[in-house]
Amino acid sequence: DGGITQSPKYLFRKEGQNVTLSCEQNLNHDAMYWYRQDPGQGLRLIYYSQIVNDFQKGDIAEGYSVSREKKESFPLTVTSAQKNPTAFYLCASSIGGGYTEAFFGQGTRLTVV
Amino acid sequence: QQQVKQSPQSLIVQKGGISIINCAYENTAFDYFPWYQQFPGKGPALLIAIRPDVSEKKEGRFTISFNKSAKQFSLHIMDSQPGDSATYFCAASHALDDKIIFGKGTRLHILP
Repeated sequence: DGGITQSPKYLFRKEGQNVTLSCEQNLNHDAMYWYRQDPGQGLRLIYYSQIVNDFQKGDIAEGYSVSREKKESFPLTVTSAQKNPTAFYLCASSIGGGYTEAFFGQGTRLTVV
Repeated sequence: QQQVKQSPQSLIVQKGGISIINCAYENTAFDYFPWYQQFPGKGPALLIAIRPDVSEKKEGRFTISFNKSAKQFSLHIMDSQPGDSATYFCAASHALDDKIIFGKGTRLHILP
């Protein structure tokens, strides 16, 4: 089945540790996205990538890093510099070029204690 | 910077009623306006979308109304059902860079 896979579904980390969230898609989509969802804040864009080896900062990129070494993979690292990392993280992909549907994964709920 | 403003934050509608959610945008370069539906614990899924060259698009019980001059668009859910209870997000994007900006969402609850 085609789709987007985020893993793990739940993740716990100690404060001060970096953590990497996985996102894989087999839809052959060019564009990929990372959003953060907090209650009452909607979906805020962290990073997005239109093509392999290229990515752009979104509205809340501070404390996060990404890589796009393969078309199907777009991992997100939450660094210790992110002041409030506990949140629900959503990865998405689209064909790109505008006017296209974004397909979302099931999300990863990160809790930092 | 909030480029897409969505209201209301929450909405309660009786079964069979009309649910209306509004959004306003600032960037006139936006040229694609989708609505997404999200159930608890799941990722959002596309519900319906519109381009600015039309003023209305209808798919079943769901209709988008678009006012280009006012930079506003809205989602109407006719004959609302308890299964429609979810969080709804409006969004905007443009073809130049694929960036998709979402509103803050509306939690809709349909009373049985």
